[in-house]
Amino acid sequence: SQQGEEDPQALSIQEGENATMNCSYKTSINNLQWYRQNSGRGLVHLILIRSNEREKHSGRLRVTLDTSKKSSSLLITASRAADTASYFCATDHTGNQFYFGTGTSLTVIP
Amino acid sequence: GAVVSQHPSWVICKSGTSVKIECRSLDFQATTMFWYRQFPKQSLMLMATSNEGSKATYEQGVEKDKFLINHASLTLSTLTVTSAHPEDSSFYICSAERDRHRGTQYFGPGTRLLVL
Repeated sequence: SQQGEEDPQALSIQEGENATMNCSYKTSINNLQWYRQNSGRGLVHLILIRSNEREKHSGRLRVTLDTSKKSSSLLITASRAADTASYFCATDHTGNQFYFGTGTSLTVIP
Repeated sequence: GAVVSQHPSWVICKSGTSVKIECRSLDFQATTMFWYRQFPKQSLMLMATSNEGSKATYEQGVEKDKFLINHASLTLSTLTVTSAHPEDSSFYICSAERDRHRGTQYFGPGTRLLVL
């Protein structure tokens, strides 16, 4: 399966701490995207990083991509209770389909 | 791991026809499924939330009479694109929520629709 895998499956941290989630995949990609999902809601797009990029920032979010290791990480700095959600990576291998991981469930404790 | 399937993978149809896309959770029951569409090189756009045994909740700007959703069982949701037109050509993907409390989602492989 080309489905990405997130690690860890669940993460619980105190407000103000940084949260790091990882995503690994198996075959070469065109780009990789990170999404968040609040309980009972659909996906919200966070960041897209292309295969020729190594790092991207958006506000408190930082995404890295290591194509040699076929992995990506999402860092949320100075976490807030409102960051509590599930986070998914999605890999675009052919431009036609995305493959999603099962997600990391993040809980930020106030 | 949990598997979500979609059928068909590809569909080409003439303008004016209706197309039904199925989303199945193969080894778990899903009370909630989500339908998304994606245009080339863009991110997913949530279309609607499908709840088993009740009417779907559509996002703003999505025509419910155009995109009919039926979630008749805990393992099947269908999306019917009625009277399809070329602008409906897109990639449609569903996801199934396995465990509401953990927020674990499993995504189908998607269905590519081309309306001629």
